[in-house]
Amino acid sequence: DQQVKQNSPSLSVQEGRISILNCDYTNSMFDYFLWYKKYPAEGPTFLISISSIKDKNEDGRFTVFLNKSAKHLSLHIVPSQPGDSAVYFCAASAPANFGNEKLTFGTGTRLTIIP
Amino acid sequence: DAGVTQSPTHLIKTRGQQVTLRCSPKSGHDTVSWYQQALGQGPQFIFQYYEEEERQRGNFPDRFSGHQFPNYSSELNVNALLLGDSALYLCASSLNAGTGVSGNEKLFFGSGTQLSVL
Repeated sequence: DQQVKQNSPSLSVQEGRISILNCDYTNSMFDYFLWYKKYPAEGPTFLISISSIKDKNEDGRFTVFLNKSAKHLSLHIVPSQPGDSAVYFCAASAPANFGNEKLTFGTGTRLTIIP
Repeated sequence: DAGVTQSPTHLIKTRGQQVTLRCSPKSGHDTVSWYQQALGQGPQFIFQYYEEEERQRGNFPDRFSGHQFPNYSSELNVNALLLGDSALYLCASSLNAGTGVSGNEKLFFGSGTQLSVL
């Protein structure tokens, strides 16, 4: 049962253009969403997050949008740079015992920025 | 400041054997979580350790067990290895400051241990 889905395994975008990565979820208990970036031979690194009480969060070139009614979130990268080429994971967490949250990850989208 | 370190980086075992993976958290962190990432999949939560106790567990059988030491480092043990246990095992650390605020955005991952079961 895949509770967090990233339906696009790969995405290629021209340098300088906007990259849009999508993520859908099924568990209505999720209240916190995160995006992680992963380079080969490295662990995932935190990129940006959003709480379910918001519909948008922005950090520099990265913006995450949340549509709770559609159970959909997206990550926008503007402008895209070659260093953004990586695998991007969407993750979600649900309220649990205090301090005991766990992350549920999607399967990832490989983003390639074309110079 | 060392980040999360895991050892070994690669490991080859045969079916039925047992394996122990090790993790040292980022300096100042007190909570360790373990994830399994199979090929082409996202990381899957195995369990989390805080104050030397398993605080939460994912959908993994009892063959997967762990331990946290007083210095916050952690071990993941897998018994009776199966071919399907072949995966990248990721350790992540965080600070459970006891404030009630989600620590997940401050979750730091190691580079992982690549386990191959033959």
